[in-house]
Amino acid sequence: AQSVTQLDSHVSVSEGTPVLLRCNYSSSYSPSLFWYVQHPNKGLQLLLKYTSAATLVKGINGFEAEFKKSETSFHLTKPSAHMSDAAEYFCVVSDLKDKIIFGKGTRLHILP
Amino acid sequence: EAQVTQNPRYLITVTGKKLTVTCSQNMNHEYMSWYRQDPGLGLRQIYYSMNVEVTDKGDVPEGYKVSRKEKRNFPLILESPSPNQTSLYFCASSLGLSGAWYNEQFFGPGTRLTVL
Repeated sequence: AQSVTQLDSHVSVSEGTPVLLRCNYSSSYSPSLFWYVQHPNKGLQLLLKYTSAATLVKGINGFEAEFKKSETSFHLTKPSAHMSDAAEYFCVVSDLKDKIIFGKGTRLHILP
Repeated sequence: EAQVTQNPRYLITVTGKKLTVTCSQNMNHEYMSWYRQDPGLGLRQIYYSMNVEVTDKGDVPEGYKVSRKEKRNFPLILESPSPNQTSLYFCASSLGLSGAWYNEQFFGPGTRLTVL
């Protein structure tokens, strides 16, 4: 059975410093992996996705994630945080069993 | 404009009164899905549909029904709502599978349901 674990429920960084949001997954098949962002009182927007092409995936707004099969991880990073990055971030795994599993989310706080 | 629409956006109802939340997409997507979002639990899949007349249970299907009679619509039905179904509900659609890989989902704006 597949699962996804977001290792931090809250992350606080200062504006201009790097962001790291951690995600580990487990899947019996080659998974599709996604990061979505949800700003306060908004719907969900795709940040980036991994579907077996390059292991380093670039997304919108300067975010990127690296698929590491040996570590079963798909951590999200950004070199320099901006105030507008304050939001909740969800790591998502899907496999050929048709199930789509969301992590419980990481709330990112940006300190001025 | 490509979008997923949900109605109503907000609903307050009472225990036992049947309700339907509609979901419609204009992107000709095959895959549609319903999720509920609760604090600290992320999004949990209720039901999904790979195509017309094909639906299947997600992780939390109890107390919900769905139907997929047309490609664009995927209504969520609560036959006898209870207070533990108070939640924020999202509908989503996608192209589904491309070979062995999932395409990304597009989400509706959400429906905030309160059951008293």
